[in-house]
Amino acid sequence: QPVLTQSSSASASLGSSVKLTCTLSSGHNNYIIAWHQQQPGKAPRYLMKLEGSGTYNKGNGVPDRFSGSSSGADRYLTISNLQSEDEADYYCETWDSNTWVFGGGTKLTVL
Amino acid sequence: EVQVLESGGKLVQPGGSLRLSCAASGFTFSSYAMSWVRQAPGKGLEWVSGVSGSGVYTYYADSVKGRFTISRDNSKNTLYLYMDSLRAEDTALYYCARDYFSDYWGQGALVTVSS
Repeated sequence: QPVLTQSSSASASLGSSVKLTCTLSSGHNNYIIAWHQQQPGKAPRYLMKLEGSGTYNKGNGVPDRFSGSSSGADRYLTISNLQSEDEADYYCETWDSNTWVFGGGTKLTVL
Repeated sequence: EVQVLESGGKLVQPGGSLRLSCAASGFTFSSYAMSWVRQAPGKGLEWVSGVSGSGVYTYYADSVKGRFTISRDNSKNTLYLYMDSLRAEDTALYYCARDYFSDYWGQGALVTVSS
């Protein structure tokens, strides 16, 4: 089954952009993933589904500031014009025949 | 509006059992796979169990296999997780989520396993 690898932390300044990475394990380059946001003390929120081609479909109400892209085994979440409410944990997720798989999550700090 | 709402979380002793429920609304429940995902205090998300839309196919993480049972009642739009032989390490907030890429989440049900 696939393994998803994420950096444990990232930081960026208010109003700037940040690009978070989720890397699929070898042999799983073409897998679709989802990105989720979890603000402090809240349930996770689905942001988007992202294909290996870079095509993405966002969930209801997700701001335009959030976008996705792909390169090989890497899946990216880019957040533009960072706001204070974007400070959160971000998880990637995939599914393989009989298993749901989550990455370890990236804690984003907005400076 | 799509909604999923968990219930049934509580304090239980080690070795005990508990059933969680997840009530769904706003979509054709039987058309979607559903899953349970948990989050231990201060930790990341861990997938626990999933079930196909029909309920025929069920899936489990190795950490709960043989102790937890997932089921669903499509006539009641409700998902269940029966947890047996509970351990301290099962202490977590348990979320139910819709579909294979978890496009809707509930608010969670807190399960605490402690004597």
